[in-house]
Parts: sequence; C-alpha cells; structure tokens
Amino acid sequence: AQTVTQSQPEMSVQEAETVTLSCTYDTSESNYYLFWYKQPPSRQMILVIRQEAYKQQNATENRFSVNFQKAAKSFSLKISDSQLGDTAMYFCAPNFGNEKLTFGTGTRLTIIP
Amino acid sequence: NAGVTQTPKFRILKIGQSMTLQCTQDMNHNYMYWYRQDPGMGLKLIYYSVGAGITDKGEVPNGYNVSRSTTEDFPLRLELAAPSQTSVYFCASSPRAEKLFFGSGTQLSVL
Repeated sequence: AQTVTQSQPEMSVQEAETVTLSCTYDTSESNYYLFWYKQPPSRQMILVIRQEAYKQQNATENRFSVNFQKAAKSFSLKISDSQLGDTAMYFCAPNFGNEKLTFGTGTRLTIIP
Repeated sequence: NAGVTQTPKFRILKIGQSMTLQCTQDMNHNYMYWYRQDPGMGLKLIYYSVGAGITDKGEVPNGYNVSRSTTEDFPLRLELAAPSQTSVYFCASSPRAEKLFFGSGTQLSVL
C-alpha cells in the first residue's frame, strides 16, 4: 500500500527563522511526483513546490526548498526567512503515478511575530 | 480566468436530506477529484474521474455518488445526509494526474 506520513501535527517558529516540515512515504514506484500544498486560514489550497522523483536536484521556489531523499522516501519542506503569511496548514501530496492523489494529514505551522 | 468553480460555498442540511454539490472547470482538464476535509484534518479522496463517462471510488465513497457526463462538470451527490458528512468539500482538476487546481470549497453542515 502507498502511504504518506507527516509526523509533525503542529510547529511554531519565530518570524525570520528557518523551519523544516517532514514528510515520508512508501511506494514501490520509481517515477512519481511530490507536492507540498499550503492551506492558509482562507481555506484555499495553494501549490507551494513540486519535485519530480527522477530529478536528483532539489526543487527551490524563492524561500521554499525541498530535501528529497529518494532512497529514504523522504520529502521535507524547508521555509527560510519565515514570514507571518506562511502561517498555514501544509500538506505533503505525492503522486505515485495512479489517479488516486492522496494527502498527508498535514502540519499546522504558526509563525510567531 | 474562472478555473475550478464550486457551488454553493455554504449549505446546511437536515439529516436525511439530499443535495448536489456542483463543480465546473474551464481548463479542459481530464482529471477531476472530490475531497472532503474534516476539521483540523487532511484531505480524503471521495471520488475521481479520468475523463467524461469514467468515474471511480476513492478512500471514502460511502454515502456519495458522482457523474461525469462532460469534461467540464463533475457534480457530487449526497443521498440521505448524515451528521458524519459535515465537512468541507473540495473539487479539484488536473491536466493529468499531477498538480491539482482547487476550487474554493463548500462548507456543509448536517444537523
């Protein structure tokens, strides 16, 4: 079975600090995509970053970057210079090549002024 | 650009009532999804479709039905609403099984 685990239900950091959210998964597939989505209090789901499993280089989008360890089946999200607007729920969502896109249980991140 | 449009945004149902949540996308995406999100929880897949005329069950399909007669529309039907169906419902679409484009959600309460 393909599973997704986010082991940190809640995290909080001071503004401007760096925070890392973890995600591990289990799959027998070799080619797949990995996503982090953000859900602020507005409830809207927003794509943060995307990683293709066949690429060794970690994806980066401005202050957001990933640490993708394929052998360890780990896909963590690093947020640098955290801002108040980063306060949200963050969901890890791998796509293992079938149509059933599943989400992790989420990490509630609070940025403290 | 409209993207993915869900209606209604809020609804209160009495136990045993039925309703249809509407979802329309104007991006010509083949893949469409319905998720539910219970308070403080992640998203669980209810049903999905890979094209017009094709639908399949997700993790939590019981109590729901879907149809996909056109590429644009993917309505979700609730029959005999129960308090356990109180949730936020998200519709999403994708050009293929990859990045999801989400609607703004429907807050449903069953009392």
